[in-house]
Amino acid sequence: GQNIDQPTEMTATEGAIVQINCTYQTSGFNGLFWYQQHAGEAPTFLSYNVLDGLEEKGRFSSFLSRSKGYSYLLLKELQMKDSASYLCADVNQAGTALIFGKGTTLSVSS
Amino acid sequence: GAVVSQHPSRVICKSGTSVKIECRSLDFQATTMFWYRQFPKKSLMLMATSNEGSKATYEQGVEKDKFLINHASLTLSTLTVTSAHPEDSSFYICSASGGGDYEQYFGPGTRLTVT
Repeated sequence: GQNIDQPTEMTATEGAIVQINCTYQTSGFNGLFWYQQHAGEAPTFLSYNVLDGLEEKGRFSSFLSRSKGYSYLLLKELQMKDSASYLCADVNQAGTALIFGKGTTLSVSS
Repeated sequence: GAVVSQHPSRVICKSGTSVKIECRSLDFQATTMFWYRQFPKKSLMLMATSNEGSKATYEQGVEKDKFLINHASLTLSTLTVTSAHPEDSSFYICSASGGGDYEQYFGPGTRLTVT
């Protein structure tokens, strides 16, 4: 089955670096997604990892270890606008839909 | 590219009435569309997956007779909440996939309030 786990809440200050972890258990793996969601809005795509390693995209990077069932999202040079919920998601066993974790609410303070 | 719209963005209806929410892919053909609901401070819960021209696949615990999904074309899917009750009040979000990969493009969501 699928069991996605990520911390519920995190806090950080402007300019800092924060790492949001996600662990998953899937029978078949088709890649892992990270989405950002501001309150009352739809999720927006951040990253998709299907191979092991780190992928960097500006201030945001995402890491995957398939053998450990582990991913993290790294946010650098934090800004107030980064305060949002960060959702880890993987593809269901049938390969037909995304299954989301409960999300990590990040609060960035000045 | 890859823009998905939803209409309406907000709707308030009385208990017992039905509400239809539209989801459109504006600049691509969506072979698959997904409907999620989200309660405050909770994650997205997949309700159903629909492929154009075929019946939707509902997730366990989702009443297909209450949440009617129609995916009549490659750019439009509709979710009808029938005989709505206050507990159906939620944020409903659709997403669409072009079929080439697993990435989904989300609509802006519809806030449903049932009084």
